[in-house]
Amino acid sequence: AQKVTQAQTEISVVEKEDVTLDCVYETRDTTYYLFWYKQPPSGELVFLIRRNSFDEQNEISGRYSWNFQKSTSSFNFTITASQVVDSAVYFCALSVPYSGGGADGLTFGKGTHLIIQP
Amino acid sequence: DSGVTQTPKHLITATGQRVTLRCSPRSGDLSVYWYQQSLDQGLQFLIQYYNGEERAKGNILERFSAQQFPDLHSELNLSSLELGDSALYFCASSVTEEETQYFGPGTRLLVL
Repeated sequence: AQKVTQAQTEISVVEKEDVTLDCVYETRDTTYYLFWYKQPPSGELVFLIRRNSFDEQNEISGRYSWNFQKSTSSFNFTITASQVVDSAVYFCALSVPYSGGGADGLTFGKGTHLIIQP
Repeated sequence: DSGVTQTPKHLITATGQRVTLRCSPRSGDLSVYWYQQSLDQGLQFLIQYYNGEERAKGNILERFSAQQFPDLHSELNLSSLELGDSALYFCASSVTEEETQYFGPGTRLLVL
């Protein structure tokens, strides 16, 4: 069975600070997919990034960056120079493909509530 | 806007009743997923369909059922509702089963 742990329930920082959201995953499969989703106060789930298990390259997208380390089963998310609009709940998720094709539903962590204070 | 639509946005009903939630996937997506988000359980995968066929089941109760129609829209049926079924129900879609899932805005269900 898969498991995703987001140990930080809530983080509060002042605008312009950098902040890192932690994600640790568990799976016995060697092929898997990792995701981050954002849930703003309006409630929708917004896709941010997908990472395949065989691609350990870190990624940067504007103020967002992701650090994938298979050795520690972690997929951490950093926001640089945070802004009030970044306030949201952020979810890390994992899915595992079937041997015959297709993939299971996403296993989500409990989420980290990020509060950016002006 | 992800391109996934869900109706209704809000639903208030009573215990013991039955409701149907509807989802239209993004144009071209063949796979549809249903998730439940509650304070107690967090975000949980319920069930997945691919091109009309059920492909995977998660923590879906026997009182719940779903189907995907030939036009690829999907419906989630919740029956004999209990107070604990109050939650936000999300639909997601993807091009194929291994591709990224994009989520709809959700249906907020309140059972009184």
